[in-house]
Amino acid sequence: DTEVTQTPKHLVMGMTNKKSLKCEQHMGHRAMYWYKQKAKKPPELMFVYSYEKLSINESVPSRFSPECPNSSLLNLHLHALQPEDSALYLCASSLASADTQYFGPGTRLTVL
Amino acid sequence: QQPVQSPQAVILREGEDAVINCSSSKALYSVHWYRQKHGEAPVFLMILLKGGEQKGHEKISASFNEKKQQSSLYLTASQLSYSGTYFCGTESPGIPGGYQKVTFGTGTKLQVIP
Repeated sequence: DTEVTQTPKHLVMGMTNKKSLKCEQHMGHRAMYWYKQKAKKPPELMFVYSYEKLSINESVPSRFSPECPNSSLLNLHLHALQPEDSALYLCASSLASADTQYFGPGTRLTVL
Repeated sequence: QQPVQSPQAVILREGEDAVINCSSSKALYSVHWYRQKHGEAPVFLMILLKGGEQKGHEKISASFNEKKQQSSLYLTASQLSYSGTYFCGTESPGIPGGYQKVTFGTGTKLQVIP
């Protein structure tokens, strides 16, 4: 299994809503990542988990809260988002840090 | 700092060749190359680890000049399926035992037309 899955594929939420994005991989990878990608821009790293511990937080606002319940799962909890947070949110995993990253299909988020 | 890619965009006819460059202001440990088609996630193409190393994948190959902090991606005899945005991802030496992150470049949009 060389797949990273993400749910949901699309999400529309209001600024007062609370929602979560989910990411799962069964490749035995120990590093997992959240990226944000705006149209026509490269992916921007948000968070990195290594061995289920948060290794990197790229100064992301607290309205984004990551969680890694186990080595296969990665969540991103969303609360009180702003319209400018609308973007494609990509999850990725790699065997170890800075190894080849395998990306999930992404969640297209729209904040109204 | 984000690696800079050139050109920003290129249009090719099927069968033509192209070169995409990636330049970093930091010393590099490795360079990754990804292709992203419209509406899809990035897909890994190759990783280069040593200065001067060249790798190939079908008609796509790449080189890495560690001293110049540059990498180039070579696409030969382009096919329609090569269309997409190409990103380099660079890894710089960091704290031993610390986390090494990959920073994505500015991107190059490649369009192959019949």
